[in-house]
Amino acid sequence: AQKVTQAQTEISVVEKEDVTLDCVYETRDTTYYLFWYKQPPSGELVFLIRRNSFDEQNEISGRYSWNFQKSTSSFNFTITASQVVDSAVYFCALSSANFNKFYFGSGTKLNVKP
Amino acid sequence: GAVVSQHPSRVICKSGTSVKIECRSLDFQATTMFWYRQFPKQSLMLMATSNEGSKATYEQGVEKDKFLINHASLTLSTLTVTSAHPEDSSFYICSARAPLGTSGGAASHEQYFGPGTRLTVT
Repeated sequence: AQKVTQAQTEISVVEKEDVTLDCVYETRDTTYYLFWYKQPPSGELVFLIRRNSFDEQNEISGRYSWNFQKSTSSFNFTITASQVVDSAVYFCALSSANFNKFYFGSGTKLNVKP
Repeated sequence: GAVVSQHPSRVICKSGTSVKIECRSLDFQATTMFWYRQFPKQSLMLMATSNEGSKATYEQGVEKDKFLINHASLTLSTLTVTSAHPEDSSFYICSARAPLGTSGGAASHEQYFGPGTRLTVT
């Protein structure tokens, strides 16, 4: 069965703090994709990153970084020096190799206070 | 990049009426489109998968007679909520998948999400 777990329902940090959002997934597929999306109050999903199951290299994009560890089935997301504009709900998602279905985690609401 | 639009962005309707939501892929042809529903403070749940020219495949627990999906062209899918009730109030998001081997703004086989439609049934 495919499943994505985001155990942190809500996190509050003060601006400039670093914050890590956890994501643990379950799948029997050998080939799959993992995603992170940001959903601001407007509701539109903003694509952040896609990772395939064969690429375990960590990735950094500006203040964002992702740590993919197949051994623990985790795909964690870290925001360095958080800003108020980072406040949103963040979803981790898993899809099969042909992108047929997306399985979303329950989301983590991040509140960044000035 | 690939763009998916939805119309309307917000709609308020009275209980018992029907409302149609459109999902369009603007710069690529989408053989498959997906419809998701998101209740407040909850995750996105897949409702149905629609393939151009054929009947939609509904997820377990989704009433196909209530949520009518039509995918009449490679760039347009519509979701009609029939006889809407307040419990149908939700955020509806579509996504479109570019076919294998596509070119242009969309990556082959990847899903692109629309901006969502907020439905309120009074």
